[in-house]
Amino acid sequence: EIVLTQSPGTLSLSPGERATLSCRASQSVSSSYLAWYQQKPGQAPRLLIYGTSNRATGIPDRFSGSGSGTDFTLIISRLEPEDFAVYYCQQYGSSIFTFGPGTTVDI
Amino acid sequence: QVQLHQSGPGLVKPSQTLSLTCVISGDSVSSNNAAWNWIRQSPSRGLEWLGTTYYRSKWYNDFAVSVKSRITINPDTSKNQFSLQLNSVTPEDTAVYYCVRGLAISGFDNWGQGTLVTVSS
Repeated sequence: EIVLTQSPGTLSLSPGERATLSCRASQSVSSSYLAWYQQKPGQAPRLLIYGTSNRATGIPDRFSGSGSGTDFTLIISRLEPEDFAVYYCQQYGSSIFTFGPGTTVDI
Repeated sequence: QVQLHQSGPGLVKPSQTLSLTCVISGDSVSSNNAAWNWIRQSPSRGLEWLGTTYYRSKWYNDFAVSVKSRITINPDTSKNQFSLQLNSVTPEDTAVYYCVRGLAISGFDNWGQGTLVTVSS
């Protein structure tokens, strides 16, 4: 099973600032199968990025993803008030899908 | 527009069976492109993928090792839905359960509304 770790656990920023979130895998993940999700309180997770760098439908271009191998990054270029949430990375390239523990982006 | 709607009891007694159903609209449970998943979320375990069912000329299932001995996921083509059964539940199975569509390339793109299931006597 591929274990994903995320850092930092919490990121305290202000609107307009840049957020950089990290996801590290215990073994190599195909870039085609790394995704990022956003979750707000009381809601289901929402797909933001798939295949490391592809934005899902309706996701604004301030969200971008990059990385390869075991190290992946989600960047939010300028935080909007609605971006304060928990972000999870996920790998779906093996037959067992796993999620990271999440990074909370708060004010 | 794909929508997933979950239903099932919110309270299950220890040692009994947890049963949830997910009705699909805007896609087919028999799609050759999609996989139909159950994921749960709890404070102690985070987001945990439980298993999937999908059709590729025949039906397949994959399950997480942690629940493999206790889980069943069944498609129902006549009602365009799929179901989760988790046997011999304990309080550790208390969580919000989600049904989710997965696509091979683009990840888990559609989620049900979530069902809080509490295991308690």
